[in-house]
Amino acid sequence: QEHLGESGGGVVQPGESLRLSCAASGFVFSSYTMHWVRQAPGRGLEWVAVVSHDEKSTFYADSVRGRFTISRDNARDTVHLQMNGVRPDDTALYYCARGGGLPRGGLPTWGQGTLVIVSS
Amino acid sequence: QSVLTQPPSASGTPGQSVTISCSGTRSNIEANYVYWYQHLPDSAPRLLIYKNDQRPSGVPDRVSASKSGTSASLAISGLRSEDEADYYCSAWDDNLSVYIFGPGTKVTV
Repeated sequence: QEHLGESGGGVVQPGESLRLSCAASGFVFSSYTMHWVRQAPGRGLEWVAVVSHDEKSTFYADSVRGRFTISRDNARDTVHLQMNGVRPDDTALYYCARGGGLPRGGLPTWGQGTLVIVSS
Repeated sequence: QSVLTQPPSASGTPGQSVTISCSGTRSNIEANYVYWYQHLPDSAPRLLIYKNDQRPSGVPDRVSASKSGTSASLAISGLRSEDEADYYCSAWDDNLSVYIFGPGTKVTV
């Protein structure tokens, strides 16, 4: 059974940094793209970033490009989201999700999310 | 503001049907597969439809979807109380090189 577990969320001040992690199990991690998706309070789902199975390609939403970095460790079946220069509008529940073989595929497996609150 | 357009809400009584539309452009919906997600409160989103009209195992056949050109739709028949959720369409956008979600449609039964 596929499982994703996010960690690293918390309360952080504007301008600071935070690193989210997502541990995967139950599937061949190195074969799939991995995504981060977030949901701000009272808002809909917003895609954040994707990393290819071999980490050679990454893509970002305009709202986070240049501030966030997605990476993965295929030896540890883990994907990370380094969040720098956070802003209040980055406050959200952050989900990691397994993709398909390419970034454009669907997201069949999701974690339960980790909450990030950006506030002074 | 999302690149994809969905109605904010839809409703029906138990047993009725509801259809949710999703409108996009040539660079997203027309060029790529459409995926639909169900998001219940306090739960992780669930993939409901993949590759335009395919149901993952466990999704009942009263859920169906289609795509034509730059538009897609999701239909749920025989509505049940457990269908109350937010529903999102999504697709990759070739011009923007991003994965996009529609704004979501809240279904009330």
